[in-house]
Amino acid sequence: KQEVTQIPAALSVPEGENLVLNCSFTDSAIYNLQWFRQDPGKGLTSLLLIQSSQREQTSGRLNASLDKSSGRSTLYIAASQPGDSATYLCAVTPSSGSARQLTFGSGTQLTVLP
Amino acid sequence: DVKVTQSSRYLVKRTGEKVFLECVQDMDHENMFWYRQDPGLGLRLIYFSYDVKMKEKGDIPEGYSVSREKKERFSLILESASTNQTSMYLCASTGQGTRGDEQYFGPGTRLTVT
Repeated sequence: KQEVTQIPAALSVPEGENLVLNCSFTDSAIYNLQWFRQDPGKGLTSLLLIQSSQREQTSGRLNASLDKSSGRSTLYIAASQPGDSATYLCAVTPSSGSARQLTFGSGTQLTVLP
Repeated sequence: DVKVTQSSRYLVKRTGEKVFLECVQDMDHENMFWYRQDPGLGLRLIYFSYDVKMKEKGDIPEGYSVSREKKERFSLILESASTNQTSMYLCASTGQGTRGDEQYFGPGTRLTVT
């Protein structure tokens, strides 16, 4: 059964720092990997989706990489801002199955201090 | 923009009541999902549907049922609510194809069963 792990569970950084969030998964037979952001009490917002054939995706100050063979992904946030404070979750979709259900990590709670 | 809406943001019900949570998406997505999110346990898949009138059990279907009579609407039913079903419920949808595999979430319904 696929397991997704995110380290660290919580991270606190001063404003302006570049930072990396880590995600690892046990089964490399994935269709894609998705990074989400969740603000307290809210739903999830999709940040980046990386297909299994891709190595990275970029959106603004965010860059996500994928190394499928080693079962790892990283989310790089450049020049962090207090508004980036949230919980970040990664999730993988299996390569088999029709409905593309996700397996989630437990998240990294990020606090960016002004 | 894809929009996934949920019928209520907050709901308080009594033990034994029948509870309906509704989810509607406006992007003609084939796949829809219901998750619950609990502190320390992360997001867990309850049920999903890959077509009208089709449903599949997720990881924790006990105590729940679902209905998908129309493509845009996916309902989660708690037949007889219990206190251990107090949780945040999140609905999501995804379509087919490269971009369509991105999973979009609703704002969530925080259900309290007393």
